[in-house]
Amino acid sequence: EIVLTQSPTTMAASPGEKVTLTCRASSSVSYMHWYQQKSGASPKLWIYDTSNRASGVPNRFSGSGSGTSYSLTISSMETEDAATYYCQQWSSNPLTFGSGTKLEIK
Amino acid sequence: EVQLVESGGGLVQPGRSLKLSCAASGFTFSNYYMAWVRQAPKKGLEWVATISTSGSRTYYPDSVKGRFTISRDNAKSSLYLQMNSLKSEDTATYYCARHKLKNTYFDYWGQGVMVTVSS
Repeated sequence: EIVLTQSPTTMAASPGEKVTLTCRASSSVSYMHWYQQKSGASPKLWIYDTSNRASGVPNRFSGSGSGTSYSLTISSMETEDAATYYCQQWSSNPLTFGSGTKLEIK
Repeated sequence: EVQLVESGGGLVQPGRSLKLSCAASGFTFSNYYMAWVRQAPKKGLEWVATISTSGSRTYYPDSVKGRFTISRDNAKSSLYLQMNSLKSEDTATYYCARHKLKNTYFDYWGQGVMVTVSS
């Protein structure tokens, strides 16, 4: 099983600050996908196939990475970006999620 | 508009069974792999099951294999999850989700249904 380790577990950022969330895989994966989940709501697809923004996702969000190291970057933090972000892979069975990064506004 | 609406959750005793349903609309259901994903209270996401477009292929993690069965009725645009021998650790919100492509990511999620396993 590929274990996805997200860091940090929790962080707070000020409006306008650049934010980078990381997801490290225990073995190489072909693609990484990211979801945003706000409190009490269902997850939403945010970034797919490593670097593609889902429909409606602001262009301040970007994804990158390869092999075992992936990241989601917010170029300029906004209050609405406060949420938990999960990474996910299915390059190898079973499909796995990271444990999430909770991003708060400072 | 794609909609996924789960139902069938509730309180169930350990060792008993429960069947969840997901009604899909707004897309051609039979063209998509579908899945169930769960989230225990205050915890992260855990994949539970995936089913192919025809229903001929199913995929499960070891944590539920042999106890849970995913199925679908394409004529009714409905997805199901039969859960047997339920344990307290199965307590979670269960989401119905659509795979964008075979064996990839989830592009739409339902609102979720709560399952509580407790005596």
